[in-house]
Amino acid sequence: AQSVAQPEDQVNVAEGNPLTVKCTYSVSGNPYLFWYVQYPNRGLQFLLKYITGDNLVKGSYGFEAEFNKSQTSFHLKKPSALVSDSALYFCAVRDPYSGAGSYQLTFGKGTKLSVIP
Amino acid sequence: DGGITQSPKYLFRKEGQNVTLSCEQNLNHDAMYWYRQDPGQGLRLIYYSQIVNDFQKGDIAEGYSVSREKKESFPLTVTSAQKNPTAFYLCASDGLGENQPQHFGDGTRLSIL
Repeated sequence: AQSVAQPEDQVNVAEGNPLTVKCTYSVSGNPYLFWYVQYPNRGLQFLLKYITGDNLVKGSYGFEAEFNKSQTSFHLKKPSALVSDSALYFCAVRDPYSGAGSYQLTFGKGTKLSVIP
Repeated sequence: DGGITQSPKYLFRKEGQNVTLSCEQNLNHDAMYWYRQDPGQGLRLIYYSQIVNDFQKGDIAEGYSVSREKKESFPLTVTSAQKNPTAFYLCASDGLGENQPQHFGDGTRLSIL
């Protein structure tokens, strides 16, 4: 079974400082990993994905994520946080080898990011 | 613009009533999904469909029903058997490739009167 954990319910960071939102995963094979952002009363917006290749993935709005197979982690990062980055962030994993329904995504519980002016 | 449209934005249910949430996509995606979002619990899968006229239960299907008569449409009915229906409901779709991200609608917030 696939699973994903976001160990921090909330992350606070000052505007202009680098930010990191943590994610760890568990799958039986090679994972496909995704990050999404959600603003209040809106749906989830796709930020970036890791499928294979370079461990550093670049995505929308200046976000990037680093895949670390040995630590089973996929942390979301941004060099300089903006107040407008304040939102709820979700990590998701797909295990293509899990059989029937293997296109399903499993989501973490989300991390609320607050960027303080 | 291609996307997913959910309606209504807000919905209120009376005791013993069934309500239906609409989800329409014009992305030509094969797969569609319904999730329930509760504060602090992330997204939980209710039902999904990978092809017209076929659908599968997710993790929390009890008290819900769906249909997939057209590729573009995947309505969700919250039945009276669902005793705690208050939540934010999200519809998503993807192109069924392993590396395809899911695209989401803007959700329906369901409350009990």
